[in-house]
Amino acid sequence: SAVISQKPSRDICQRGTSLTIQCQVDSQVTMMFWYRQQPGQSLTLIATANQGSEATYESGFVIDKFPISRPNLTFSTLTVSNMSPEDSSIYLCSVEKGSTDTQYFGPGTRLTVL
Amino acid sequence: KQEVTQIPAALSVPEGENLVLNCSFTDSAIYNLQWFRQDPGKGLTSLLLIQSSQREQTSGRLNASLDKSSGRSTLYIAASQPGDSATYLCAPGSGNTGKLIFGQGTTLQVKP
Repeated sequence: SAVISQKPSRDICQRGTSLTIQCQVDSQVTMMFWYRQQPGQSLTLIATANQGSEATYESGFVIDKFPISRPNLTFSTLTVSNMSPEDSSIYLCSVEKGSTDTQYFGPGTRLTVL
Repeated sequence: KQEVTQIPAALSVPEGENLVLNCSFTDSAIYNLQWFRQDPGKGLTSLLLIQSSQREQTSGRLNASLDKSSGRSTLYIAASQPGDSATYLCAPGSGNTGKLIFGQGTTLQVKP
């Protein structure tokens, strides 16, 4: 399995500001993922972050709005830029690990934008 | 484009009942399928993963089946307990990209 931590666990931010979310894994992993869960909705993949390469974004998500860093095999950050109330969501990181490619999720960051 | 549907959206049962949660997906070319549990305000806990070549997986009181050709998976929970109350999410995975496409979930309430 994998133990994943995220910081911050929650935050309340003002419109127009940016927030950087950190994701730390207890072991080295190749693939890390960032998901968004809007209120009352299921999870939507934002991007895949592999160490040493640019993140791959899903349709509807762009690097200018959600820049991602992956400096090593245990850490990644997601920045939510120029926030609006529509960005209020839970943001979760996940990693794929093991011979079965099981995905494990962090506890999430609950973001409220006023 | 993969679309995932989970039925029912919500379910309330008395403690001790056996129950089945259903998941259907439109693209049968999946690599695997995971079932997750999400407690309110929390992250996801992986329950079971079924490889595309497998028919079922079991863990304790949980059994997940996969019929890839018909695009269906079920999660069977035996002898339900109040602690099983949560939202259950089904997520087929596509190939070596690791991408998971999530259904809307089934919110389960088990009453004592």
